[in-house]
Amino acid sequence: GQNIDQPTEMTATEGAIVQINCTYQTSGFNGLFWYQQHAGEAPTFLSYNVLDGLEEKGRFSSFLSRSKGYSYLLLKELQMKDSASYLCAVRDDRGSTLGRLYFGRGTQLTVWP
Amino acid sequence: GAVVSQHPSWVICKSGTSVKIECRSLDFQATTMFWYRQFPKQSLMLMATSNEGSKATYEQGVEKDKFLINHASLTLSTLTVTSAHPEDSSFYICSARTSDPSYEQYFGPGTRLTVT
Repeated sequence: GQNIDQPTEMTATEGAIVQINCTYQTSGFNGLFWYQQHAGEAPTFLSYNVLDGLEEKGRFSSFLSRSKGYSYLLLKELQMKDSASYLCAVRDDRGSTLGRLYFGRGTQLTVWP
Repeated sequence: GAVVSQHPSWVICKSGTSVKIECRSLDFQATTMFWYRQFPKQSLMLMATSNEGSKATYEQGVEKDKFLINHASLTLSTLTVTSAHPEDSSFYICSARTSDPSYEQYFGPGTRLTVT
């Protein structure tokens, strides 16, 4: 498989900063996505990285190192509504289905007041 | 962003019956649609990939005769769970993708299936 690994659970307090790490191994890598998923709902897109470096979008930033097979999602100024599962997904263009995504198990983030 | 809808949002059925779930792209043409299944506290597992007008490609371990997928138009794909069993109870999510080179997938809101 793609061996996508991320922590199962994390907790943080309102206003804090949290970093969720993701490591992966894939031979057809062509981008990494981060999604947010609230319980019982579908994932919503947060970020996409295909080149090394940091992508900043408001309170959320995502970093990628292709040589290390490593990414992180950084959430700043945490709010209660940020409590959700955060899914790391790797796009693998090897094989017949271009753009196929492989998902990690998700990191359940709980934000405390 | 693009909008993908699913219907129904939840369904309860009896063991042995069949259930059809629809996935629609509302404002774009979806050349490819993906069907995922998600068990509680687990990640999304790809079940099959469907391209408009052709047979679906199923992932290893997914029974194609049990999970029938039809992608008859550029805006609609259906997943039919045949002879449902309690172990088929899960959250089913579809996603749709255009032919755009970015290959971004847009997810539907999901369908909660409970088989009693």
